Amino acid sequence: LAKTTQPISMDSYEGQEVNITCSHNNIATNDYITWYQQFPSQGPRFIIQGYKTKVTNEVASLFIPADRKSSTLSLPRVSLSDTAVYYCLVGGYSSASKIIFGSGTRLSIRP
Amino acid sequence: NAGVMQNPRHLVRRRGQEARLRCSPMKGHSHVYWYRQLPEEGLKFMVYLQKENIIDESGMPKERFSAEFPKEGPSILRIQQVVRGDSAAYFCASSPTAQETQYFGPGTRLLVL
Repeated sequence: LAKTTQPISMDSYEGQEVNITCSHNNIATNDYITWYQQFPSQGPRFIIQGYKTKVTNEVASLFIPADRKSSTLSLPRVSLSDTAVYYCLVGGYSSASKIIFGSGTRLSIRP
Repeated sequence: NAGVMQNPRHLVRRRGQEARLRCSPMKGHSHVYWYRQLPEEGLKFMVYLQKENIIDESGMPKERFSAEFPKEGPSILRIQQVVRGDSAAYFCASSPTAQETQYFGPGTRLLVL
């Protein structure tokens, strides 16, 4: 299962666009890239998933370059309520089916 | 469609007692996963079950911990003779198949005194 590396923490301000990049150099051909959001005292919440190029939903966009060795989660116009820990995950959808969580990125949004 | 349900949300046990954590997956989901999270850390995989079968228990401690997912009823994570180090948040996730997104419950916070 591919290991991921992402920044420990990030700060931004309300209304800004936030980009969180994740490295996954040994991603396998069958692996998808998934991002979860976790608020204190809650379970992780699925944000977005992609395999290659760009995926967009009502919450975020996910950019994946051709080599798939990294990915960037983009949150447009963040608000205070986006303060949370964001986890980048790779794999988990092949035979093993377990998710390997890293330490995540603690995003703090200020007024 | 209700989400993944876990109960109790909070559980306090004294050292040596047993803890039983329950997880009801989303409707139509037959795959259940248990994770443990210590404060300020990411979630750690414990066990993956499909109805009546344990598929992967590579993250489960060899002693005192067990899990089941019976044909009827919720999945149960059982911790016997709890110790203080078992204090953590335990999350359950479910998916309709092994290849689909896992959806998490609100967790059970276990405190061992």
